[in-house]
Amino acid sequence: GEDVEQSLFLSVREGDSSVINCTYTDSSSTYLYWYKQEPGAGLQLLTYIFSNMDMKQDQRLTVLLNKKDKHLSLRIADTQTGDSAIYFCAEHNAGNNRKLIWGLGTSLAVNP
Amino acid sequence: GAVVSQHPSRVICKSGTSVKIECRSLDFQATTMFWYRQFPKKSLMLMATSNEGSKATYEQGVEKDKFLINHASLTLSTLTVTSAHPEDSSFYICSATGAPQETQYFGPGTRLLVL
Repeated sequence: GEDVEQSLFLSVREGDSSVINCTYTDSSSTYLYWYKQEPGAGLQLLTYIFSNMDMKQDQRLTVLLNKKDKHLSLRIADTQTGDSAIYFCAEHNAGNNRKLIWGLGTSLAVNP
Repeated sequence: GAVVSQHPSRVICKSGTSVKIECRSLDFQATTMFWYRQFPKKSLMLMATSNEGSKATYEQGVEKDKFLINHASLTLSTLTVTSAHPEDSSFYICSATGAPQETQYFGPGTRLLVL
């Protein structure tokens, strides 16, 4: 079945760039998403990329998609302490009744 | 835009009672709503997919008689945990999506504690 994998932890210093990686197995993915979850809160949509794109930039966020390798990354420039959260990668396949396939989440710790 | 609310944000109940959680899309019509459960430090577990006006589709291993889902309108879905037990204690999150954009927008979650 479809699978999405992420590394579980990432620690960076404030001001550095963070890169969170995600791999997926479904070659029929249509959209790929990044969600952010702060402690005790719901999920906030950060950004998404359509499968026919290879890059999307939105302020401090840059998403790179390598469709051949089924690899997605999220780069956060000038990481701040407020960026500390869990980041989930999710992929969507139009044939999947709108269900998302989720990674386990990467816990980002930003150290002052 | 695309705001989803949940009520209550947290609830404590006695074992054996039923608890209803509401999920509302505030500024768009949600043709599909999803109910998730999240255990501490774990990923989201999809419980069911709910389309307006039809029966919910439950994921394997989720008891439909225990977790009753109603999606009576394009802006409201409810999840009722019936005869709750301590093992039902969890963080329940809903999401909503409206055609043609497939993006799921999430509610803030409901923390349920069953004593």
